[in-house]
Amino acid sequence: GDSVTQMEGPVTLSEEAFLTINCTYTATGYPSLFWYVQYPGEGLQLLLKATKADDKGSNKGFEATYRKETTSFHLEKGSVQVSDSAVYFCALSDTGRRALTFGSGTRLQVQP
Amino acid sequence: DTAVSQTPKYLVTQMGNDKSIKCEQNLGHDTMYWYKQDSKKFLKIMFSYNNKELIINETVPNRFSPKSPDKAHLNLHINSLELGDSAVYFCASSQGNTGGRETQYFGPGTRLLVL
Repeated sequence: GDSVTQMEGPVTLSEEAFLTINCTYTATGYPSLFWYVQYPGEGLQLLLKATKADDKGSNKGFEATYRKETTSFHLEKGSVQVSDSAVYFCALSDTGRRALTFGSGTRLQVQP
Repeated sequence: DTAVSQTPKYLVTQMGNDKSIKCEQNLGHDTMYWYKQDSKKFLKIMFSYNNKELIINETVPNRFSPKSPDKAHLNLHINSLELGDSAVYFCASSQGNTGGRETQYFGPGTRLLVL
């Protein structure tokens, strides 16, 4: 079945540091890939997405590129802020299956 | 306007009770979902409905029963609550027009605590 693996957290960075959160996937079909963010005490918000190979999703300074050859969708940001502190979830939605498969989430803590 | 709303936001109850969580979406979407987030933040699909028809029913105890009175609503009823049911339950919706690959939009979650 489908699965998503993301790096263990927490990831602790200083403000303005470069962020990478690794995400790899296995899927039987041709999935869409997503990053969702969950701020403390809140629900899930879509951060960015990509629907086909080599697509780059971007939003709020975050980027991720759909790499079919390495089955990866790593999240990056050039300069993190304290307000980026949250839990980040990589997820996929595969052809014919009406459900998201999530990774285990990565907690990001940004210190001033 | 809230796109996907859930009530209640918090629910504290005793073991053995029956409770319901309600979800409504005003996005005009055809597909709605329930996900469970456990204490370690892991998210897993429970149910999925398309045009009021159940299409995904994961390995969930039959104490959990979803009901979709119309396309805009998907409620979750839980009988005989157990300690292990304590979790955050998220409702979501999507357009349902790309065979499952479309974006899902989430509600704020219902935090259930069973004592």
